[in-house]
Amino acid sequence: AQSVSQHNHHVILSEAASLELGCNYSYGGTVNLFWYVQYPGQHLQLLLKYFSGDPLVKGIKGFEAEFIKSKFSFNLRKPSVQWSDTAEYFCAVASPEYGNKLVFGAGTILRVKS
Amino acid sequence: DAGVTQSPTHLIKTRGQQVTLRCSPKSGHDTVSWYQQALGQGPQFIFQYYEEEERQRGNFPDRFSGHQFPNYSSELNVNALLLGDSALYLCASSLLRGEAFFGQGTRLTVV
Repeated sequence: AQSVSQHNHHVILSEAASLELGCNYSYGGTVNLFWYVQYPGQHLQLLLKYFSGDPLVKGIKGFEAEFIKSKFSFNLRKPSVQWSDTAEYFCAVASPEYGNKLVFGAGTILRVKS
Repeated sequence: DAGVTQSPTHLIKTRGQQVTLRCSPKSGHDTVSWYQQALGQGPQFIFQYYEEEERQRGNFPDRFSGHQFPNYSSELNVNALLLGDSALYLCASSLLRGEAFFGQGTRLTVV
């Protein structure tokens, strides 16, 4: 079975600080990897995704993530956060062998202090 | 272009009752998946519908059932509600192998 682990449940940063949110998954087969973001009062939105190719993927709003297959990791990064990045971030994995259903981590709540 | 729309947005039910939640997918999408998000947790997959059939099911009891209509819209039904069914229910639409787009969710409270 697939599972996803997110390392931190709450993160507090000051504006302009760098961000890295950890994500590890447990499935050894073919995987598609995602980061979703949920801003306060809004629906889940796709931040970025990895299907194949370059393991460093760039998403919206200056976010990027790196897929390291040997570490089963897909960490999210941003060099300089803004107050508007305050949100909950979810890492998710899907696999063709499991019909591409999304398996989510528990989420990381990021608060950026202005 | 309307995204994924869910109704109602909020709902309060009593233990033992039944509830129906509705979802209209994003235009052009033919696959609908339902997720349950309990407080402080990530969304958990309930089931997926494609071509009006349940294609996959997560680890949820038979009290949870669904339906997909010819226009691709979908319903989630939960019978014999328990307090533990209180959660945000999310609908996601996609093409069968494509990126999922989520609705705002229905907040169900069971009292």
